[in-house]
Amino acid sequence: AQKVTQAQTEISVVEKEDVTLDCVYETRDTTYYLFWYKQPPSGELVFLIRRNSFDEQNEISGRYSWNFQKSTSSFNFTITASQVVDSAVYFCALSEWTYGQNFVFGPGTRLSVLP
Amino acid sequence: EAGVAQSPRYKIIEKRQSVAFWCNPISGHATLYWYQQILGQGPKLLIQFQNNGVVDDSQLPKDRFSAERLKGVDSTLKIQPAKLEDSAVYLCASNKGEGGAYNEQFFGPGTRLTVL
Repeated sequence: AQKVTQAQTEISVVEKEDVTLDCVYETRDTTYYLFWYKQPPSGELVFLIRRNSFDEQNEISGRYSWNFQKSTSSFNFTITASQVVDSAVYFCALSEWTYGQNFVFGPGTRLSVLP
Repeated sequence: EAGVAQSPRYKIIEKRQSVAFWCNPISGHATLYWYQQILGQGPKLLIQFQNNGVVDDSQLPKDRFSAERLKGVDSTLKIQPAKLEDSAVYLCASNKGEGGAYNEQFFGPGTRLTVL
C-alpha cells in the first residue's frame, strides 16, 4: 500500500536561514504523482507543486526548490532564505496511477520561522 | 473565480447527534473530494466523486457517514450518529478534468467539528 512519511514533525529556523523538509514515499506503482501542499494558520491548503514519476528534474520556483530522487524514494522541499510568512504546516502527498486514484497525504511538518 | 465554499465553518454537537456539511466546488470542476483532518495529522480522503458518481469511498465509515453530490455540483457530507472521535476539520476540495487525483486540488476553508 502507498505511504508517505515526513519524519520531521516540527522545525524552527530563524528568518533568512535555509530549511529542507523531507518526504519519503512508498508505492507499488511505476506511475505516480507526488505533491507538496502548504497549510498556513488560516487552514486552507494551498498547492505548491506536482511531480510525476517519470520526471526527476529538480525544480526551482523563486525561493522554493524540490529534489526528486526515485533511487531513495524521496521528494524533498527546500526553502531558501526563509521568511516569517513561510510559517505553516507542509504536507507531502502521493497519488498512484495503476491502482486507482488513491490520494494519500503525509503527516505534515510544522515549520516555524522566527524573526 | 470563486473558490471552494464550505458551510458551516464551525459546528459543535453532542455525541449521537447528527450533522451535515455542505460544499460548493469551483464552477466546472468535475471531481470533488471530502477529507477528514484530525488535529496534528494530514488530511485523510473519505470520498471522491467524479461528476455524480463515486470514484473512491474505501475509507468512508459507511455505518455512520454518508455523502452525496447532487447533479454533479454541490455535495453534502453527513454523520449520523456522531462519535467523539469524529472531532476534526472536514475539508472539501475540487479539481477539473479527467485527471482527477493527478491534478492540483483546490481546497475550501474547512468545517471544524467538535463532538462533546
